[in-house]
Amino acid sequence: GDSVTQMEGPVTLSEEAFLTINCTYTATGYPSLFWYVQYPGEGLQLLLKATKADDKGSNKGFEATYRKETTSFHLEKGSVQVSDSAVYFCALSDGTDKLIFGTGTRLQVFP
Amino acid sequence: DVKVTQSSRYLVKRTGEKVFLECVQDMDHENMFWYRQDPGLGLRLIYFSYDVKMKEKGDIPEGYSVSREKKERFSLILESASTNQTSMYLCASRGEGVDTQYFGPGTRLTVL
Repeated sequence: GDSVTQMEGPVTLSEEAFLTINCTYTATGYPSLFWYVQYPGEGLQLLLKATKADDKGSNKGFEATYRKETTSFHLEKGSVQVSDSAVYFCALSDGTDKLIFGTGTRLQVFP
Repeated sequence: DVKVTQSSRYLVKRTGEKVFLECVQDMDHENMFWYRQDPGLGLRLIYFSYDVKMKEKGDIPEGYSVSREKKERFSLILESASTNQTSMYLCASRGEGVDTQYFGPGTRLTVL
């Protein structure tokens, strides 16, 4: 079945460092891809999404490009802030009712 | 903005108790979902509903049931709580024809 694999965390960075969180997927069709973020003590919020190959989703300085050839949707940010500390989930939707999530990657940013 | 609210942020129950987790959304969404979140396992779908009084099993429905009597409200029921149901429970909703789900803040349930 469809699945999402994320890099294990925690990812620990200093403020203003470059961030990459890797996400790869397995799907039989043409899924939509998402990044959700969960700040401490809160539920998940949609960060960005892409619905077809070569689309780039972006929000709050974060970007991810839908790469069909490598089945990847890596999350990047050029300069992280302490306030970006959170758990990041990669997910896919294959057009049915379900979202399939990765296991999450915790990001810790220190001043 | 879509708002999804859950009745409790933290809940402590004893083994064998019947537990109700309530979720309400204010955007007239047809679809609602219950997930549990556990470290190292991500989010796993328990049940979902695509209309009033309709429900579908997700990936891990055992030990749970749901109720959707009104469009805006979706309840998760633990008939007889067990310690392995200690977890974070997240509710979500989604409008028809779109693929983005909107999540509530979660309920952290501890079963002693």
